[in-house]
Amino acid sequence: DTAVSQTPKYLVTQMGNDKSIKCEQNLGHDTMYWYKQDSKKFLKIMFSYNNKELIINETVPNRFSPKSPDKAHLNLHINSLELGDSAVYFCASSQNFEAFFGQGTRLTVV
Amino acid sequence: GQQVMQIPQYQHVQEGEDFTTYCNSSTTLSNIQWYKQRPGGHPVFLIQLVKSGEVKKQKRLTFQFGEAKKNSSLHITATQTTDVGTYFCTRNNAGNMLTFGGGTRLMVKP
Repeated sequence: DTAVSQTPKYLVTQMGNDKSIKCEQNLGHDTMYWYKQDSKKFLKIMFSYNNKELIINETVPNRFSPKSPDKAHLNLHINSLELGDSAVYFCASSQNFEAFFGQGTRLTVV
Repeated sequence: GQQVMQIPQYQHVQEGEDFTTYCNSSTTLSNIQWYKQRPGGHPVFLIQLVKSGEVKKQKRLTFQFGEAKKNSSLHITATQTTDVGTYFCTRNNAGNMLTFGGGTRLMVKP
């Protein structure tokens, strides 16, 4: 059983499109995250979310929005995709301090 | 959030040589965590250090937390090709958001 799963694994799309990446965790964790990893491997926190609070990294454009239908899911919606959005996006969850990451979604905007 | 700086960015070693990566913060850390990301993979939790001067070992890996809790190191003894990957230190910011250092990419020549 995969603890944190995200789909799709690969996503190729044109500039200007709107897309979503889904994430589900079966660990019963309270907190979920989205990270963006660029080509230089730098991991940047985008959002932290639990059932009480959404914390947004202020540098994230408002074209990005997390949506959580329930505690086990945190989806990432991206509007009006730009070339610079190409990266690997990781979903993660944690209960205390250890974060469990999904396999990543490689987004390519052409 | 507050940043953590890692050096070096890259390290090439011959198999069997030792390797060390360093993590530095300008502010005191409540704890520090280390993650490893294999090429093409996702970050995987290695360890958390909490106490000043703490030293923890995992087989050939030795983790150290500085006395002032502003720096940490990861040392690998007698590297193997399975050690290849990027090693990240992270700190917790508000809202339990993990902020990752830039990572040290380790390459091991067989």
